Amino acid sequence: EVQLVESGGGLVQPGGSLRLSCAASGFTFSNYWMTWVRPAPGKGLEWVANIKQDGSEKYYVDSAKGRFTISRDNAKNLLYLQMNSLRAEDTAVYYCARIAFRDRYFDYWGQGTLVTVSS
Amino acid sequence: EIVMTQSPATLSVSPGERATLSCRASQSVSSSLAWYQQKPGQAPRLLIYRASTRATGIPARFSGSGSGTEFTLTISSLQSEDFAVYYCQQYINWPPAFTFGPGTKVDIK
Repeated sequence: EVQLVESGGGLVQPGGSLRLSCAASGFTFSNYWMTWVRPAPGKGLEWVANIKQDGSEKYYVDSAKGRFTISRDNAKNLLYLQMNSLRAEDTAVYYCARIAFRDRYFDYWGQGTLVTVSS
Repeated sequence: EIVMTQSPATLSVSPGERATLSCRASQSVSSSLAWYQQKPGQAPRLLIYRASTRATGIPARFSGSGSGTEFTLTISSLQSEDFAVYYCQQYINWPPAFTFGPGTKVDIK
């Protein structure tokens, strides 16, 4: 059974940093692109970042560029999102998701971890 | 950037009735469109991909149609567990970007 379990969320002050983790199991993690998604007020869900199977390609939504870094450890089946210079508008539940093999929709999602940016 | 819009924002439906949700793309996405369901406090769940293919385990009462810029998700006979928010997502414009619609909330009439 495919499972994705996020952790690392919490309360952080504006300008602070946080690292989210996503533990994957039930599939060959190194075969899949992975992604982070969050809700965005008035916009539904917002894709945040993607990473290729071997980590050689990474893409970010404009609001995350220069502040967030997506990475992975295929030996440990872990996906990460390092978030720096956090802003109030980054407050959200962050979901990790698997991108379907040889396709591009998101076929499995974790339950999410809440990030709150507030002083 | 491809902008996705959904209508209506809220749809009030009685159990057993049919629900029709619309999604529109600002430019053609061919059939690179997915639908997701999200219930309060839960993660989104994939319902439909490639505009009309049901994901594994999704009941036959859910169906998707359309291509290009106009898409529809139909729930043929609403069950109590179907009251949720539904999002469409385009994935033709990737890399680098995916975009979602703002969602349609289906609630009990």
